[in-house]
Amino acid sequence: DIQMTQSPSSVSASVGDRVTITCRASQDINRWLAWYQQKPGKAPNLLIYDASSLQSGVPSRFSGSGSGTEFTLTISSLQPEDFATYYCQQAKDLPFTFGPGTKVDIK
Amino acid sequence: QVTLKESGPALVKPTQTLTLTCTFSGFSLSASGMRVSWIRQPPGKALEWLARIDWDDDKFYRRSLKTRLTISKDTSKNQVVLTMTNMDPVDTATYYCARTSGRDVNFFDSWGQGTLVTVSS
Repeated sequence: DIQMTQSPSSVSASVGDRVTITCRASQDINRWLAWYQQKPGKAPNLLIYDASSLQSGVPSRFSGSGSGTEFTLTISSLQPEDFATYYCQQAKDLPFTFGPGTKVDIK
Repeated sequence: QVTLKESGPALVKPTQTLTLTCTFSGFSLSASGMRVSWIRQPPGKALEWLARIDWDDDKFYRRSLKTRLTISKDTSKNQVVLTMTNMDPVDTATYYCARTSGRDVNFFDSWGQGTLVTVSS
C-alpha cells in the first residue's frame, strides 16, 4: 500500500496568514493526489484534485502543487472558516490511502 | 444536486455483522464511470478506505478486510450496501459513503454525512 505522511501535524495560525501543508507519498504517484477539508462532526470536503485542480465552488485562496512524491496545499490568506483538519489522499492505486491529517487552529 | 446518506445501526455487539446502506440521489450508479466507496474514520483518527463498487458491478476491497466485507448495489433503489462480519471494538468508527465520478478518477467529490457505529457489548 502507498503510505501518505503529512507535516506539520498541527499548525496555529491567525486570520490572514499564509499556511502551507506538505504531503508525501511513499512512492511516485505522479499527480494523483487530492486534498480534503474536514470540520468537526462533518464529512470531508474535496478541495483540490489532480494535485492542483481546484474543485468547483472552492475559494481561490486554496491552491495545490507538486508531483511525484511531494505535494503542498497552500491557503494564501487564512479565513475564519478555514480552521479545520486537512487530509491528502493518493488516487493512484487501490487501496486509496489518506494522510494522517493536519489540524489548522487559531493562534 | 448529488446527495448521499448512510443508514444503519448505531450500536452493534462484538462478533455481530454490520449492515450499512448508502442511499443516494442526483446520479445513477449505472452510468459509465460512476463508483461508490465506503470509507471509515475511527474517533479522532484518519480516514480509511474500505471498499468500492463500480457502475459495471466491479468490486474492490481493502486487502486486510477483504474476508469480512461485502459490497453490493441496487441500482433501482439508488442504494449501495456494505456488510462487515465479525465486528470488533476496533471497528468503532464513523462510516461514510462517497462518490467517484469518472473512469480515470479516484477522488471523492461527494460524501454522505456519515454514521457513527459503536461496537460494544
